[in-house]
Amino acid sequence: GENVEQHPSTLSVQEGDSAVIKCTYSDSASNYFPWYKQELGKRPQLIIDIRSNVGEKKDQRIAVTLNKTAKHFSLHITETQPEDSAVYFCAASKRGGSNYKLTFGKGTLLTVNP
Amino acid sequence: EAGVTQSPTHLIKTRGQQVTLRCSPISGHTSVYWYQQALGLGLQFLLWYDEGEERNRGNFPPRFSGRQFPNYSSELNVNALELEDSALYLCASSFRTSEKLFFGSGTQLSVL
Repeated sequence: GENVEQHPSTLSVQEGDSAVIKCTYSDSASNYFPWYKQELGKRPQLIIDIRSNVGEKKDQRIAVTLNKTAKHFSLHITETQPEDSAVYFCAASKRGGSNYKLTFGKGTLLTVNP
Repeated sequence: EAGVTQSPTHLIKTRGQQVTLRCSPISGHTSVYWYQQALGLGLQFLLWYDEGEERNRGNFPPRFSGRQFPNYSSELNVNALELEDSALYLCASSFRTSEKLFFGSGTQLSVL
């Protein structure tokens, strides 16, 4: 089955700096890659996603890049703010068939220091 | 519009007991997913239900089971609780043809 590795497990940056979180996946058939943000004590929320037919997607201060050949994708947050502090999860899945499931990485705890 | 709701929010059980967790999906969503979030292990896939049927299950023992009702709400049952079952249990829902999952706030289960 699919295996998703996520690095780093913790990341501390100064407010205004950029943050990058990287993930690799094992199943070359995976075609959907979302990122979820989970603030302390809250539910995970989808912040951005990318499909395998796209190499990069941007939404204001966040962007995601995908390298299908290397089977890795990354989340980039620019101009970080204290409210960006949270645990971020990457995930991978392939649609189709009866065995759909979203496989998550183990998460990155991002701390933005004011 | 109401989001995914889960009950109870917190639960304390002892080893060997049984527990039932409940989830109501977003209106219009037919798929319900259950995930276990144990400390340091991320979100581990448990079960996927759609249109009342179990469509897929993760690498968990048979004592983890569930069902989906005609109104698309779902229950997760865990029998013979073990200490390592202590975790946050998250339910998510989606449209049948969508990969976008919307999560509930979870049930925090503590097994003593």
